[in-house]
Amino acid sequence: EAGVVQSPRYKIIEKKQPVAFWCNPISGHNTLYWYLQNLGQGPELLIRYENEEAVDDSQLPKDRFSAERLKGVDSTLKIQPAELGDSAVYLCASSPATRLAGGYEQFFGPGTRLTVL
Amino acid sequence: AQSVTQLGSHVSVSEGALVLLRCNYSSSVPPYLFWYVQYPNQGLQLLLKYTSAATLVKGINGFEAEFKKSETSFHLTKPSAHMSDAAEYFCAVITPRAGGYNKLIFGAGTRLAVHP
Repeated sequence: EAGVVQSPRYKIIEKKQPVAFWCNPISGHNTLYWYLQNLGQGPELLIRYENEEAVDDSQLPKDRFSAERLKGVDSTLKIQPAELGDSAVYLCASSPATRLAGGYEQFFGPGTRLTVL
Repeated sequence: AQSVTQLGSHVSVSEGALVLLRCNYSSSVPPYLFWYVQYPNQGLQLLLKYTSAATLVKGINGFEAEFKKSETSFHLTKPSAHMSDAAEYFCAVITPRAGGYNKLIFGAGTRLAVHP
């Protein structure tokens, strides 16, 4: 079974430029998460989707960040414009519907490492 | 509110020695607890999870953890460290609730170094 796929793996851009990250979750997983992981820290949730609906985006900086999951499968996270402080790893994760007795396990992709110069 | 504290951002052990990574949690109701491992330039991989069944949980790669409610702890152990265990380890907590959802909260992580 394929895991969570993310691309690109690495991205280097100059500040004020736009950038987008793509995520394809595990087949059949209704729930998709985007996390931000700063150096030396644990992941922090940016946004959670249940199918195509964003049900928790309270931590997403909406002035410059946006996300979409149009068909309830893959998702894109965008930053426009990027700032120096956005340099981090952006992780995507997916899980089955939370009501299942799966212990709320989340499956993570390899992440996209963003460097803003 | 949920929170996780991992004591020790860096732990160094000799190959073959006991590994002990500490995790304490705060939760108003019985939580689910997880340990994830992250190798360099990779995503997080689940090591083990506690979901209110047996308090001693065995995971992959010889790791295990014990849920101790009285101590609000979920420390990760492995009897004998291997060089391949060198990685970053994250403890995480979620408070399940019927019909609802709570975020998975991660600790800051502990970097494990294993030396010959």
